Amino acid sequence: GQQLNQSPQSMFIQEGEDVSMNCTSSSIFNTWLWYKQDPGEGPVLLIALYKAGELTSNGRLTAQFGITRKDSFLNISASIPSDVGIYFCAGQLFTNAGKSTFGDGTTLTVKP
Amino acid sequence: KAGVTQTPRYLIKTRGQQVTLSCSPISGHRSVSWYQQTPGQGLQFLFEYFSETQRNKGNFPGRFSGRQFSNSRSEMNVSTLELGDSALYLCASSRRSGGVNNEQFFGPGTRLTVL
Repeated sequence: GQQLNQSPQSMFIQEGEDVSMNCTSSSIFNTWLWYKQDPGEGPVLLIALYKAGELTSNGRLTAQFGITRKDSFLNISASIPSDVGIYFCAGQLFTNAGKSTFGDGTTLTVKP
Repeated sequence: KAGVTQTPRYLIKTRGQQVTLSCSPISGHRSVSWYQQTPGQGLQFLFEYFSETQRNKGNFPGRFSGRQFSNSRSEMNVSTLELGDSALYLCASSRRSGGVNNEQFFGPGTRLTVL
């Protein structure tokens, strides 16, 4: 089956710094999704991407759908303490729309 | 609009027992998918229900089953519980429009502990 490689596994940054994380896949996806999960809660959708090359922003977050359809990245600018959490990428295929394949997550720690 | 709700939030069972988890999707969403989240395996897809029919199934044993009702609410059942079934079980709903705009929105999860 399809697998997603998400990196880095964890990041320790200072408040105010920018953050970048990415996901790569061995095969294409039609949709890329980025989620944030806080401890004891379900993942919260941050950004959804539908077209190869698409660049989408949500406040301080920017994500891109790779041209090859096999990768995506998420950038967070000017990080703040509440950005702490686990960030997941997920891919979907139109032919299997009810199933998302998830990366292993990037754990972000922000030092004030 | 209310989000995805899951009940119960926490559950403790012993090996061999069975358990039923419930999920109410966002109003207007007809697809409900279930995921298992563990530290070792991450987020793993269990199955998806749409219009009361199972549409997709992940690689889990037959002890894991589900169903969906006419109001799109879904239940997931795990029989003959094993220690390894301890996990956070997440439900996600979507419109499932067949292509784009099929974002999945997650509930808070049910934390199942098997002793």
